[in-house]
Amino acid sequence: DVKVTQSSRYLVKRTGEKVFLECVQDMDHENMFWYRQDPGLGLRLIYFSYDVKMKEKGDIPEGYSVSREKKERFSLILESASTNQTSMYLCASSFLKGGQETQYFGPGTRLLVL
Amino acid sequence: RKEVEQDPGPFNVPEGATVAFNCTYSNSASQSFFWYRQDCRKEPKLLMSVYSSGNEDGRFTAQLNRASQYISLLIRDSKLSDSATYLCVVLGAGGSYIPTFGRGTSLIVHP
Repeated sequence: DVKVTQSSRYLVKRTGEKVFLECVQDMDHENMFWYRQDPGLGLRLIYFSYDVKMKEKGDIPEGYSVSREKKERFSLILESASTNQTSMYLCASSFLKGGQETQYFGPGTRLLVL
Repeated sequence: RKEVEQDPGPFNVPEGATVAFNCTYSNSASQSFFWYRQDCRKEPKLLMSVYSSGNEDGRFTAQLNRASQYISLLIRDSKLSDSATYLCVVLGAGGSYIPTFGRGTSLIVHP
C-alpha cells in the first residue's frame, strides 16, 4: 500500500511565524504536490515537483515556498504565516502508469494561524 | 469559467436510490479523468478512473462524454456509507499535465 505521511495533523501558529509542513511518501513516486482545501473553494494547488530539487508553481503559490532535497520528502514552507493561511493542507504523490496518473494523499494538516 | 465544474449539492437521497453526478471540463485536450471520494475531515481517495469506453465497479459506473466534455458517476442502490463528497479530477484541464480538481459534490444518503 502506498503511504503518504504528513508531520502534523493539527498545528497552531502565530502570525509572522515561519511554518514547516513535511510530507514523506514511501513508494518512490516522482511527483509530489501540495494543496490547500477550504470550504467552498475545493482543492487548490500551491506547488508541485516532478523530481528532486525541481519545483513548479501551482495556482496559488504566493506566501509559500517548497523544498525537495530528497525524492521521498516534499516540504511546504510558510515564510511568515498570516491568518488567511489558516486551512487544511494536503500533500499528495503520484506515479504514471498506463497513461493514467493516480494521486495518493496524506491525511492532511489542519493549520490555524492566530 | 472554472476549468472543472461540479454541482456542489448536497444530494440528499434515501437508501437504495440511484444517484448521478456530472462534472464538466473546459479543455477539450484533457487527457485523463478520475472520481475521488472524500469523507468528512479525511483526505481524498481514488474511487475510480474514467475510461473512454465507460467502466463499472460494483454499484458504481463512470462514463466519459468527450463530445460534450463531461464525465459522470452513477451510484446504484445507495448505502448510508456512500455519504461523502465526490471530487471530479481532470488531467490536462489547464493545458498542462497536472491534476485539476472540481469543488466536489456532497452526497447524503439517509435511512
